[in-house]
Amino acid sequence: GQSLEQPSEVTAVEGAIVQINCTYQTSGFYGLSWYQQHDGGAPTFLSYNALDGLEETGRFSSFLSRSDSYGYLLLQELQMKDSASYFCAVRDGQGGKLIFGQGTELSVKP
Amino acid sequence: ETGVTQSPTHLIKTRGQQVTLRCSSQSGHNTVSWYQQALGQGPQFIFQYYREEENGRGNFPPRFSGLQFPNYSSELNVNALELDDSALYLCASSLEFSYEQYFGPGTRLTVT
Repeated sequence: GQSLEQPSEVTAVEGAIVQINCTYQTSGFYGLSWYQQHDGGAPTFLSYNALDGLEETGRFSSFLSRSDSYGYLLLQELQMKDSASYFCAVRDGQGGKLIFGQGTELSVKP
Repeated sequence: ETGVTQSPTHLIKTRGQQVTLRCSSQSGHNTVSWYQQALGQGPQFIFQYYREEENGRGNFPPRFSGLQFPNYSSELNVNALELDDSALYLCASSLEFSYEQYFGPGTRLTVT
């Protein structure tokens, strides 16, 4: 089967750093993406890793280890507006089919 | 540049009915994917259309069907609605072979 595992909830305080882990088991793998979704709205793209290593985009970084089938999203200098659900998603094939995890609900407290 | 739009925003249907959801892709994008997101779950891939042809399908029954038009807009049709079809239906557009998908705000379908 195909599955992605990520924690269901994470809580952190404003200004802190939080890491959301994702492990995957899929039949195909072209890369790992991260999406943010506020209150059931449109998911928005955050980052993508096709190769091992760290990708940095502003306050957000994403890491991938293909040998471990593992990745994480790192959010620094947390702000209240970062409270949202975060999904890891495996790109299954060149065509772009995405297999999503169940999502991690991040709550940022003052 | 216009983003991805979907209509309607909300919809209530009765079990057994049929529904059509619509999606306009972002300007210049020729690939549209549809996802179903149940409450508290991640989006599940339904199918993808590329240049008016189905280009991949998830684990959904044939009563879920779609179309893509020459302007790359798309429709999702669901026949014989079941209670479990109640969900947020998301459309995402992208350039061919691009890893970045742009999602619309979704259509919230409730089946009673």
